[in-house]
Amino acid sequence: EDKVVQSPLSLVVHEGDTVTLNCSYEVTNFRSLLWYKQEKKAPTFLFMLTSSGIEKKSGRLSSILDKKELFSILNITATQTGDSAVYLCAVVLNTNAGKSTFGDGTTLTVKP
Amino acid sequence: GAVVSQHPSWVICKSGTSVKIECRSLDFQATTMFWYRQFPKQSLMLMATSNEGSKATYEQGVEKDKFLINHASLTLSTLTVTSAHPEDSSFYICSASRTSGSDEQYFGPGTRLTVT
Repeated sequence: EDKVVQSPLSLVVHEGDTVTLNCSYEVTNFRSLLWYKQEKKAPTFLFMLTSSGIEKKSGRLSSILDKKELFSILNITATQTGDSAVYLCAVVLNTNAGKSTFGDGTTLTVKP
Repeated sequence: GAVVSQHPSWVICKSGTSVKIECRSLDFQATTMFWYRQFPKQSLMLMATSNEGSKATYEQGVEKDKFLINHASLTLSTLTVTSAHPEDSSFYICSASRTSGSDEQYFGPGTRLTVT
C-alpha cells in the first residue's frame, strides 16, 4: 500500500524561527513529490520535486528531495504569522492519470 | 492562469436527497480531474480520478453508485452524492491537472456539504 508520512503533525514556533517539515514515502511507482500549503480552503502549490539533491527555492521557502532515502524536507526561514497553515506533501504515482497520495499534513502555527 | 472553481461552495440538504457539485477549470483544459474528501483536521482523501469522456476510477472503499462522477468536457467534472446521509457531510475538493502533463494539481475552493 502506498504511504506518505509527514512529521511533525503539528508545530508551534515564534516569528523569525526556522522550521523544517519532513515527508517520507513508500510508494510502488514514484514520479514526483509535491508540497502544498493549505490555509482555510483549497491547497495551493509550493514545489514539485522530481530529482534528488536539487533544491527548489522560493523566497523564504525551500525544498529538497532524496530519492535514495525516500524523503523530502520543506524549510521555512524567518517565519511569519502568515506562514501559519497546514503543509501537505503529496507523491504522484507514475500512472496514466498521475494519481497523488497525500500525507496527513503538518499544521504550523507561527506566533507573533 | 490555472483557476479551478467549484459550485456550490456550501450546501445543506436533507437525508435521502441528492446533491450535485460542479468542478470547472476556468482557463485551461483538464484531461484529468480528481475528487477528494477532507474531514476536519485530516488530510485529503482521494475518492476518484475523473477522465474526460470515460468512466471514473474509484479508490478502494468508495461506492461508485453513491458518488456519481461525470466528466463531460475538458473543463467540467461533476460529483453527485446520491441518497445523502449525515455521514456524507464533509468538505469535498476537486483538483485538475493540465493536459500538458504537469503533475501540479490546481485545486478548487471546495464544497462544504452538510446533510441533516
